[in-house]
Amino acid sequence: LAKTTQPISMDSYEGQEVNITCSHNNIATNDYITWYQQFPSQGPRFIIQGYKTKVTNEVASLFIPADRKSSTLSLPRVSLSDTAVYYCLVGDLNNFNKFYFGSGTKLNVKP
Amino acid sequence: NAGVTQTPKFQVLKTGQSMTLQCAQDMNHNSMYWYRQDPGMGLRLIYYSASEGTTDKGEVPNGYNVSRLNKREFSLRLESAAPSQTSVYFCASTRQGSYEQYFGPGTRLTVT
Repeated sequence: LAKTTQPISMDSYEGQEVNITCSHNNIATNDYITWYQQFPSQGPRFIIQGYKTKVTNEVASLFIPADRKSSTLSLPRVSLSDTAVYYCLVGDLNNFNKFYFGSGTKLNVKP
Repeated sequence: NAGVTQTPKFQVLKTGQSMTLQCAQDMNHNSMYWYRQDPGMGLRLIYYSASEGTTDKGEVPNGYNVSRLNKREFSLRLESAAPSQTSVYFCASTRQGSYEQYFGPGTRLTVT
């Protein structure tokens, strides 16, 4: 089971770039890495996914080193509305029961 | 599109009572999931349905049963509720071949 480890919380200020790292030492060959954002009293929302190297979309970037034992979600120029819990999820579509969300990182963006 | 809908939004049960949580999606997704989230914790997978007609256990299936009624609907049943099942329950769905899960708004369940 590719369990994940993330920092419990992080603080940042508006306009800064935030990097949240997730450790997944037991990641399997077929596993993909996915990140979700969750606001209080809401279901998680997909942010980005990747397998290796770097992936970028309109809201974030995902950096994955060659050994794939960790990944870093990068949020450029955060705003107050980015205050949320961010989850790293590692899994393989052929083994749904191996998906593991972990406890997430609570990002607090200050003015 | 409503996306993923869940009913009810809130429910209070007494120990030993039974209930069914309903989930429906209108995105023609193949796979559906039930998670629970305890306070301050991440989500844990209870059951999933990779496609219509199939269901499988996730990380924490004990005390629950599921039914994939058709492609749209996936229900979760608590036969004899226990206080340890007090949690927020989320349903999610994905299209075939995708890791992007779409989540419903959740059902907040309290068992006294």
